[in-house]
Amino acid sequence: KNEVEQSPQNLTAQEGEFITINCSYSVGISALHWLQQHPGGGIVSLFMLSSGKKKHGRLIATINIQEKHSSLHITASHPRDSAVYICAGNNLGGSQGNLIFGKGTKLSVKP
Amino acid sequence: DGGITQSPKYLFRKEGQNVTLSCEQNLNHDAMYWYRQDPGQGLRLIYYSQIVNDFQKGDIAEGYSVSREKKESFPLTVTSAQKNPTAFYLCASTTLVSGWIAFFGQGTRLTVV
Repeated sequence: KNEVEQSPQNLTAQEGEFITINCSYSVGISALHWLQQHPGGGIVSLFMLSSGKKKHGRLIATINIQEKHSSLHITASHPRDSAVYICAGNNLGGSQGNLIFGKGTKLSVKP
Repeated sequence: DGGITQSPKYLFRKEGQNVTLSCEQNLNHDAMYWYRQDPGQGLRLIYYSQIVNDFQKGDIAEGYSVSREKKESFPLTVTSAQKNPTAFYLCASTTLVSGWIAFFGQGTRLTVV
């Protein structure tokens, strides 16, 4: 069964701290997505990774294919980074666009 | 600007009534999806469509129906057969051309009263 597991479930940080959210996935996942969901509910795609590392501003995403593990890092965190971060994998077993989602990590950055 | 539009944002329904959630995209994406989100759970796939006039059941299709008469539109009907319809519903679209990066709507929060 294809699965995506995220940790931690909840994370509280002080402004300026370096943050790491982890994601492990099972066999059958071809690529990993990191998504951000704000309190209003809409979801924005941050990264899609099938290998290596990607960086956008203060966000960095890495993936280790051998270990089936991905991390999302936020440098110099800010209260506006407070959101739910969701890891999702493309399901090789079904339609390639289908995603299998982790349960999300709720991040709260305090000023 | 291209994107996905879901409407309405909030919806209240009486028990026993069917209700239809709208999802429209102008991204020229072939594939469209409906997901349900409940507190403490990951998004779960209800239905998806990879091409006009074709759609497939996802993991939790019971009590839901969809249609895909146009590429741009993928409405979801929550029927009275859905035992626990109160949830947050998200529509998404993607395509091979975009490298399967998913674009999401803003969601519809459905409450059964």
